[in-house]
Amino acid sequence: DQQVKQNSPSLSVQEGRISILNCDYTNSMFDYFLWYKKYPAEGPTFLISISSIKDKNEDGRFTVFLNKSAKHLSLHIVPSQPGDSAVYFCAAIDRGSTLGRLYFGRGTQLTVWP
Amino acid sequence: DGGITQSPKYLFRKEGQNVTLSCEQNLNHDAMYWYRQDPGQGLRLIYYSQIVNDFQKGDIAEGYSVSREKKESFPLTVTSAQKNPTAFYLCASSIVSDNEQFFGPGTRLTVL
Repeated sequence: DQQVKQNSPSLSVQEGRISILNCDYTNSMFDYFLWYKKYPAEGPTFLISISSIKDKNEDGRFTVFLNKSAKHLSLHIVPSQPGDSAVYFCAAIDRGSTLGRLYFGRGTQLTVWP
Repeated sequence: DGGITQSPKYLFRKEGQNVTLSCEQNLNHDAMYWYRQDPGQGLRLIYYSQIVNDFQKGDIAEGYSVSREKKESFPLTVTSAQKNPTAFYLCASSIVSDNEQFFGPGTRLTVL
């Protein structure tokens, strides 16, 4: 059963506008969340993360928001650029677990058009 | 230059043959992971290892095997028992106490 869900397989946004990618999770033990970006035929690269003790983390054009009560997080990209076109994966981990593994969503393909 | 290398980039295999995918890291990371990516499926965990000579099954371990004889290396064997082996395979590593995983460039396996 998918513990991390990205319900939008694709998103199309005009250059300069805001991109909002969403992620939901079911496991209330998850306490750390990450976003990865992936280009075709390459490995994912880490983008930004957030701990469950925070509700917002910002890094340049990228901001992640966490709503623990709704078990929902979102990644905002402002302004969007054509180079942001990629697949974005949301991931979560229960840092108290001995398993020490990430759980990934299925990804959202972002397309930024000029 | 520290990083993770996977070889080869593209691999072709005849049905019924075993094949081994290489993953090497020089980041001094204790933990290593194997994922497979299929269209619309995201990243699914095959096997992972948090320490040398120990590894755990992930969500889709059937038809795969691994070994972890050295800290730097975590090879994945796709056996003939894997029913649908054509996919993009990704290796990753991390510090056990950290959460961020670093990924290699991936290997595209095609079964003919």
